[in-house]
Amino acid sequence: KQEVTQIPAALSVPEGENLVLNCSFTDSAIYNLQWFRQDPGKGLTSLLLIQSSQREQTSGRLNASLDKSSGRSTLYIAASQPGDSATYLCAVTSGGSYIPTFGRGTSLIVHP
Amino acid sequence: NAGVTQTPKFQVLKTGQSMTLQCAQDMNHNSMYWYRQDPGMGLRLIYYSASEGTTDKGEVPNGYNVSRLNKREFSLRLESAAPSQTSVYFCASIRDRAGYEQYFGPGTRLTVT
Repeated sequence: KQEVTQIPAALSVPEGENLVLNCSFTDSAIYNLQWFRQDPGKGLTSLLLIQSSQREQTSGRLNASLDKSSGRSTLYIAASQPGDSATYLCAVTSGGSYIPTFGRGTSLIVHP
Repeated sequence: NAGVTQTPKFQVLKTGQSMTLQCAQDMNHNSMYWYRQDPGMGLRLIYYSASEGTTDKGEVPNGYNVSRLNKREFSLRLESAAPSQTSVYFCASIRDRAGYEQYFGPGTRLTVT
């Protein structure tokens, strides 16, 4: 059974810092990995989708990498802003049922 | 495109009452999902529908039923609500079972007293 872990559970940084969020998974036979953002009281918004054949994806100040052999993905946020404050979740799709398995998220606060 | 829509946004039920949560997507997606999100528990899959006409149980199906009414709509029914079903419910969809982005609705916040 796939298990997804996100460390740290919470992170507080000053504005302007570059930061890395981690996502690890136990079964490396994945189809894809997706990063989401969730604002308080809202639904999940997709940030980046990495296919199993890809090493990284970029969108603006966000860069997500994937290393299947080590069972890890990182989300890099450059020049963080207070508006980046949210919970970030990763989800891994693997196995014949094609059901995404979610981590519990990293709660990020960027203070001015 | 409206994406994934859910109704209602908020609901308060008494123990034993029934209700149906509605979900619709306008992206022509094949697969649809119902999750619940609770503090400290993360997102847990209740039921999913890989394609129109099929439904399968997820991690926490007890106390729930679903209907894939057509390709667009996937409803979740609570037949006899219990306080343990107090949660935020999210509907999601994917174009196909693998290789594509999952899109989420805004959620329904349900309180059972």
